[in-house]
Amino acid sequence: AQKITQTQPGMFVQEKEAVTLDCTYDTSDPSYGLFWYKQPSSGEMIFLIYQGSYDQQNATEGRYSLNFQKARKSANLVISASQLGDSAMYFCAMSQLSYKLIFGSGTRLLVRP
Amino acid sequence: DTAVSQTPKYLVTQMGNDKSIKCEQNLGHDTMYWYKQDSKKFLKIMFSYNNKELIINETVPNRFSPKSPDKAHLNLHINSLELGDSAVYFCASSQQLEKWTLHFGNGTRLTVT
Repeated sequence: AQKITQTQPGMFVQEKEAVTLDCTYDTSDPSYGLFWYKQPSSGEMIFLIYQGSYDQQNATEGRYSLNFQKARKSANLVISASQLGDSAMYFCAMSQLSYKLIFGSGTRLLVRP
Repeated sequence: DTAVSQTPKYLVTQMGNDKSIKCEQNLGHDTMYWYKQDSKKFLKIMFSYNNKELIINETVPNRFSPKSPDKAHLNLHINSLELGDSAVYFCASSQQLEKWTLHFGNGTRLTVT
């Protein structure tokens, strides 16, 4: 069965430091996509980054990068130079051939000044 | 310009009532979704429409009925509301079925008393 697992319910990071949010997935589909979304306290869902299962290189978007290790079925999000505005819930998600995007349980990140 | 807009933002109602949540997207996307986020922040897909056609219908009580009058709109009607329906409901859209980057609305917080 397809599944997304985020094992860190909450994390702290010091401002300006880098932080890695873990995500592992399980699927039997050969083609899938991996996503990270941010949900600040205001509640909206903000798309951050996407990685396709056939992409050779790790995706990067500004301060966000996705550490994709296919053999280990992991898709960790790395945020460099953390800012106070990065404090939020972060969701890992996976798309499947069945046209569903399934989400992990989320990690709450708190950036300390 | 708001890309995906939902109304209302907050909805408080009593058990047994019928209510609707409206969603509109001005991105020209073909596919729209409804997701439910429970009190533990877990996001789960409810429905997906592609060009007004129902594609995904998860195990959702049939008190929930989506309606798509055109591909820019996907409304959610809920009959006989129950306490357990209290949640945040997110509308989302994507360019096509295969393009899984979702653009979310800001959510509707439904509280059933």
